[in-house]
Amino acid sequence: DAGVIQSPRHEVTEMGQEVTLRCKPISGHNSLFWYRQTMMRGLELLIYFNNNVPIDDSGMPEDRFSAKMPNASFSTLKIQPSEPRDSAVYFCASSFFGSGANVLTFGAGSRLTVL
Amino acid sequence: ILNVEQSPQSLHVQEGDSTNFTCSFPSSNFYALHWYRWETAKSPEALFVMTLNGDEKKKGRISATLNTKEGYSYLYIKGSQPEDSATYLCASHGSSNTGKLIFGQGTTLQVKP
Repeated sequence: DAGVIQSPRHEVTEMGQEVTLRCKPISGHNSLFWYRQTMMRGLELLIYFNNNVPIDDSGMPEDRFSAKMPNASFSTLKIQPSEPRDSAVYFCASSFFGSGANVLTFGAGSRLTVL
Repeated sequence: ILNVEQSPQSLHVQEGDSTNFTCSFPSSNFYALHWYRWETAKSPEALFVMTLNGDEKKKGRISATLNTKEGYSYLYIKGSQPEDSATYLCASHGSSNTGKLIFGQGTTLQVKP
């Protein structure tokens, strides 16, 4: 298994531009999480899906952020319009929830820089 | 709001020292407590998942204990080695019916040779 795959690994963009981050979870996992890592707040949960349905998006900063999971093997996190304060590393993680353990497997992260 | 707190924020020890750090979490509606290890330029990797009060898990020189009644977990590293240098994160489930996992800020360990 290739693990959780995120793209792009690095993105540099200008303020106001749309940014789309992508994630392919591990096959067979039914939960997917988007986290943001910043110096100030550590690893912050943005949104998570269970069986492709968004369960909790209370961590999404504002309306500029949106996330979708059209099928079990793909999710996107979109920022439109982007701002410099969105600069961070965005991690996607997946797990199989239901067995009790719910151990997360993380992707390599997408480092976003908004100028 | 589920607050997961870790202390200390950072720790510097000499090779061979044993060390420990703390994770505190709300004890109500407890479901599970996770520990992850996060090396620089890599992704967090799971170390332990604990669910029962009094649980103790061990992997090599690293072990963890759990007290669900008072809401804390300790992570111990015996005889620290430079390769143990990493950020150690704990995370707690909000309740038994959700997969939501909230992370603490982490404890960053630096082991000097």
